[in-house]
Amino acid sequence: GENVGLHLPTLSVQEGDNSIINCAYSNSASDYFIWYKQESGKGPQFIIDIRSNMDKRQGQRVTVLLNKTVKHLSLQIAATQPGDSAVYFCAEIHWGGTASKLTFGTGTRLQVTL
Amino acid sequence: EADIYQTPRYLVIGTGKKITLECSQTMGHDKMYWYQQDPGMELHLIHYSYGVNSTEKGDLSSESTVSRIRTEHFPLTLESARPSHTSQYLCASSEGQGVNGYTFGSGTRLTVV
Repeated sequence: GENVGLHLPTLSVQEGDNSIINCAYSNSASDYFIWYKQESGKGPQFIIDIRSNMDKRQGQRVTVLLNKTVKHLSLQIAATQPGDSAVYFCAEIHWGGTASKLTFGTGTRLQVTL
Repeated sequence: EADIYQTPRYLVIGTGKKITLECSQTMGHDKMYWYQQDPGMELHLIHYSYGVNSTEKGDLSSESTVSRIRTEHFPLTLESARPSHTSQYLCASSEGQGVNGYTFGSGTRLTVV
């Protein structure tokens, strides 16, 4: 079936450097994509979203890029901080009626080294 | 500040016991979800509800059951807990088609011994 997956299970980045977390998705009909951050012992928290009619969206220190041609989503974190250490999930949804639900990827653990 | 609450946060229980994990949200969201997540792993949808008296099974088969008698409340029950049920259970809610994504609770970490 359709799935959303992440390329790398763990990413180590030095404090102050930029981080790039990647996500591949297979449902070309996906309408909406979200990045979540999950810290240890907590539930996932919304970071940033992007609709399928966009290719880039920026937030505070974060940017999401969407390449529909190759079905690829990325999350860029500028000037990575220790507080950014967490597992990051991408998720996608196709709004095809009341049965629409988010599909989550496997997750990437971001480790920020000092 | 999360408006979706899960209790208990941690639970250690013996095999064969019946347990209910509580989830409540104050946002008036019509849709609610239960996910099961092993540490550092992906989230698996086990149950969801699109409104009062509506419940559906998710993508991952689960021996748990849910009910939705009130909009704000979506408890999950295991009639007879087993060690294989040891996991983290996350509750979430969304408005409409999930336009703004899902809001997650902090989770219940269940250990069955």
